[in-house]
Amino acid sequence: EPEVTQTPSHQVTQMGQEVILRCVPISNHLYFYWYRQILGQKVEFLVSFYNNEISEKSEIFDDQFSVERPDGSNFTLKIRSTKLEDSAMYFCASTAGPTNTGELFFGEGSRLTVL
Amino acid sequence: SQQGEEDPQALSIQEGENATMNCSYKTSINNLQWYRQNSGRGLVHLILIRSNEREKHSGRLRVTLDTSKKSSSLLITASRAADTASYFCATRGLSRAGSYQLTFGKGTKLSVIP
Repeated sequence: EPEVTQTPSHQVTQMGQEVILRCVPISNHLYFYWYRQILGQKVEFLVSFYNNEISEKSEIFDDQFSVERPDGSNFTLKIRSTKLEDSAMYFCASTAGPTNTGELFFGEGSRLTVL
Repeated sequence: SQQGEEDPQALSIQEGENATMNCSYKTSINNLQWYRQNSGRGLVHLILIRSNEREKHSGRLRVTLDTSKKSSSLLITASRAADTASYFCATRGLSRAGSYQLTFGKGTKLSVIP
């Protein structure tokens, strides 16, 4: 069964360092998302991406964040200068497109720990 | 915000009992979805109910939607220890065309005791 894969599963970094989280969405999907979940809290929307550009972003997704689809398969989230409060699980998700009902397919997440 | 809010925050039941979780939201929606998350894992889609539907079944899952009260419930019948997980409702709003953003609630942590 097709699945969304994310790497790394866990990354530990020092405050101020750049981090890149990687995702391989399901191959025929067209819409891509990043969500984050601070430990024990709700899942928060960060950004959606379609047709090689951001379609929506939340207030959390400030200038420190960027997304990219560098090739036909990968979808990355970059945090330029990490802060302690960026520590969270980051989930990538994808969905097929306009005729889709809206079900998102999530990866297993990348746990980011900022020290 | 069209944020979903689940109730209760935590629920502990004996295996074989039914588990009911509730969700409330604030604005008009296109559909409402329930997801499950095992500890430390990703979210798995369980069931979707459209705004023009009132009830939906899938195996041991039953979802109801009351758009007048802006609320939904998820019932898991004959619970099993393997149902232990966090359950989240997520709403898909009536935002602009092409938007598929889901807004998640805080989740209900279900513990099923063998």
